[in-house]
Amino acid sequence: QKEVEQDPGPLSVPEGAIVSLNCTYSNSAFQYFMWYRQYSRKGPELLMYTYSSGNKEDGRFTAQVDKSSKYISLFIRDSQPSDSATYLCASPTQGAQKLVFGQGTRLTINP
Amino acid sequence: NAGVMQNPRHLVRRRGQEARLRCSPMKGHSHVYWYRQLPEEGLKFMVYLQKENIIDESGMPKERFSAEFPKEGPSILRIQQVVRGDSAAYFCASSPRLAGGGNEQFFGPGTRLTVL
Repeated sequence: QKEVEQDPGPLSVPEGAIVSLNCTYSNSAFQYFMWYRQYSRKGPELLMYTYSSGNKEDGRFTAQVDKSSKYISLFIRDSQPSDSATYLCASPTQGAQKLVFGQGTRLTINP
Repeated sequence: NAGVMQNPRHLVRRRGQEARLRCSPMKGHSHVYWYRQLPEEGLKFMVYLQKENIIDESGMPKERFSAEFPKEGPSILRIQQVVRGDSAAYFCASSPRLAGGGNEQFFGPGTRLTVL
């Protein structure tokens, strides 16, 4: 079983829709969670960084962590064509510095 | 403040040649990480370095791959005797000195290695 699982999609939604991206993780020791956005042939860009359970909001983006179910979500409101990218969830292993990534979900926002 | 810099951006090698990938971390960052991304796959950790020290190389293949982060200059990921399976995007990330807690890593644009 992979430590972080993510549906690779692809996911295609119309402009303006609310997008929900999800990951599950198996390692109970994970405490910090990140969401990265990666445009085609570019490096990952850190979008959101959360600790423990709860919500964190930044503009049109909301990250949600539910540690009881080991579920991580990223919501995008008022989605724009410029949001079209691959979204990767990640968590650092406890006691180590390496990030464990999900496979990434490819998202397309259609004008 | 410049971001993480990687060069070259694209590298073509023939089987059996050596590949050298360079990474300059963000200013003030003393932690460097290398990840590999195969086509249609997520990023996989390779190695974590601080200045002059390899801290964690649990993701590095046992043979042909090596990494360093000298006191002066960029971090280098070296792949000897490349094979077609080494074709991938190699990303470097850096983070600031940590006082404890989380680990925000900032990524460079990557080096895309193609082995012919």
